Amino acid sequence: DGGITQSPKYLFRKEGQNVTLSCEQNLNHDAMYWYRQDPGQGLRLIYYSQIVNDFQKGDIAEGYSVSREKKESFPLTVTSAQKNPTAFYLCASGRGSFGYEQYFGPGTRLTVT
Amino acid sequence: ILNVEQSPQSLHVQEGDSTNFTCSFPSSNFYALHWYRWETAKSPKALFVMTLNGDEKKKGRISATLNTKEGYSYLYIKGSQPEDSATYLCATPGNGNKLVFGAGTILRVKS
Repeated sequence: DGGITQSPKYLFRKEGQNVTLSCEQNLNHDAMYWYRQDPGQGLRLIYYSQIVNDFQKGDIAEGYSVSREKKESFPLTVTSAQKNPTAFYLCASGRGSFGYEQYFGPGTRLTVT
Repeated sequence: ILNVEQSPQSLHVQEGDSTNFTCSFPSSNFYALHWYRWETAKSPKALFVMTLNGDEKKKGRISATLNTKEGYSYLYIKGSQPEDSATYLCATPGNGNKLVFGAGTILRVKS
């Protein structure tokens, strides 16, 4: 079954702790993306990677870090420097050209108290 | 920063009604326009990716049109059904090789 998976579905953390969200895809896509969704707003891009061992900041990268050591995996770390980390996080993958659609995972809801 | 706007913000219709909503985007440097459907508790799924001015795409009861010169796309749903209830997102590439999403139109279809 081809697809993109994220884990966990729900995550709770105390303020000041770093937390890593998992994203894995078996679609053989070169490009992977992390988005954040807040109520009443569109999806905002945090980081993206178009190829293994390379990634770029999106519009709201501050307080986040990523790695892309394998084509299949693109984990996102929410650091204690992120001022408002509570949000819904979506991972996506695609062929890297915007003439093609992106495929999304089920998302992780992170709550930091 | 590229601005993608969707209207209306939300829409409530009766089963069987036809409906449409709008996505507006800057017409300069157009490359592609994406439509996604996001049902509650599921992942967003692509409906259409459109690239040509005047393009019209159809999938069952859902169709979309594209006007790149004036910077808008319409999404139409004919004979809405409760299973069409979802948030509909549009997106277009911005600077730096990334998609910029609108805030979405929430559609609720009452049976």
